[in-house]
Parts: sequence; C-alpha cells; structure tokens
Amino acid sequence: DAEITQSPRHKITETGRQVTLACHQTWNHNNMFWYRQDLGHGLRLIHYSYGVQDTNKGEVSDGYSVSRSNTEDLPLTLESAASSQTSVYFCASSESGTWDTQYFGPGTRLTVL
Amino acid sequence: SQQGEEDPQALSIQEGENATMNCSYKTSINNLQWYRQNSGRGLVHLILIRSNEREKHSGRLRVTLDTSKKSSSLLITASRAADTASYFCATDRGGKLIFGQGTELSVKP
Repeated sequence: DAEITQSPRHKITETGRQVTLACHQTWNHNNMFWYRQDLGHGLRLIHYSYGVQDTNKGEVSDGYSVSRSNTEDLPLTLESAASSQTSVYFCASSESGTWDTQYFGPGTRLTVL
Repeated sequence: SQQGEEDPQALSIQEGENATMNCSYKTSINNLQWYRQNSGRGLVHLILIRSNEREKHSGRLRVTLDTSKKSSSLLITASRAADTASYFCATDRGGKLIFGQGTELSVKP
C-alpha cells in the first residue's frame, strides 16, 4: 500500500545545530508539503513543492529550507536550530492541485534545547 | 493567519450523542475539507465539499456548507468513544490549504 513516512519520529537537538527531517512518499504524488503544529496555532505551512526541482515558501519559512531532487522525497532542513522551532512537524502529499486531499505522515516531534 | 476558525475549541459528549462542529472562513473558496487527528498521529482526510455543494454525507458524517455565511458544519451522528480526536477544517487560499486551529472532541463511554 502507498504511504508517507517521516523520520526520525522524535529528535532532540541543541540550539545552533543543523537538523534534517526526512519525508518519503510512495503515492507518486507531485505535491508535497511541510507543516508545523503548535498549541494555539494549528497547522502552519512551512514549505511546499509542486514537483521535482520546485520549492516554494509558506507562511513560516524563515529558518527552514527544502529541496526536491526526486518525486518521493522532500527533506526539511533547519539551518541553525532555535528553541522557537521546537514543534511537531508533519509532511503531506497530494495528487493534483493544492486544494486536493492531502495525505499526512505520522509526524516528527522535534525538541531544540 | 488562519483562514478557517473552528467552534467550539473543545466539546465533550456522551457516547451515542451527536457532535456538531462549526468552521467559519473569511474569503471565497473552491472547496472546504475536514480532517481528523487522533492524539499523536497525522491528520486523516474525512470529507471534501465543493463550493457549489450545500450538503454531503459520508457514513455517520454530515457536512454542510453555506457560502453566503462563509461557514461549514460537521455533524457526527451516534458518536463513539473512537471518535475522540481533534477535527480541523481546511480551505484553499492562494493555491494552498489553510487549516483552522481545530475542535477537540471527547466522547465519553
């Protein structure tokens, strides 16, 4: 069965370190998204991609970057982790337009000390 | 900024009762979606209603959309303890899905 996976599921890191969160989908979807979820803010879009070599900034993109070298993967990199980036991160994908149903991964809980 | 806002923020009911959650949004939409999130899990798509639809059903779920009032409601009938979760509405804006902050539903056995 097609699925979307994230790794690691839990990560503790220190302020200033570079961290990369992995997202891998086997749906063969063109569109992939990264969100962060915090109490009081719901889900907020960090970056998204409509296809290979395409990346776009979302509403909270500062301090984050993504790259799309193939259809299946969209890794999220925190260039220099900050305590404000402690959050739960979700990756999602969709088949066609961004208004289409999105399929979510299980999430990565990141703690920045 | 959030496009959709759910109401209430939290809802506690007994098993067998109906649960109604509301979502209001600010700008015109092409469609509105509802998602469920169980504790510690990712979101799961429940239902999508297009702007030219007024009501849609899926099993025990009933969704209505009133574009004149910019609002939607999600009704879960004959609730079960397994329905305990957070429920989010999502609307499309600028080619992206914007999620509300969610309604936390607790169904007591």
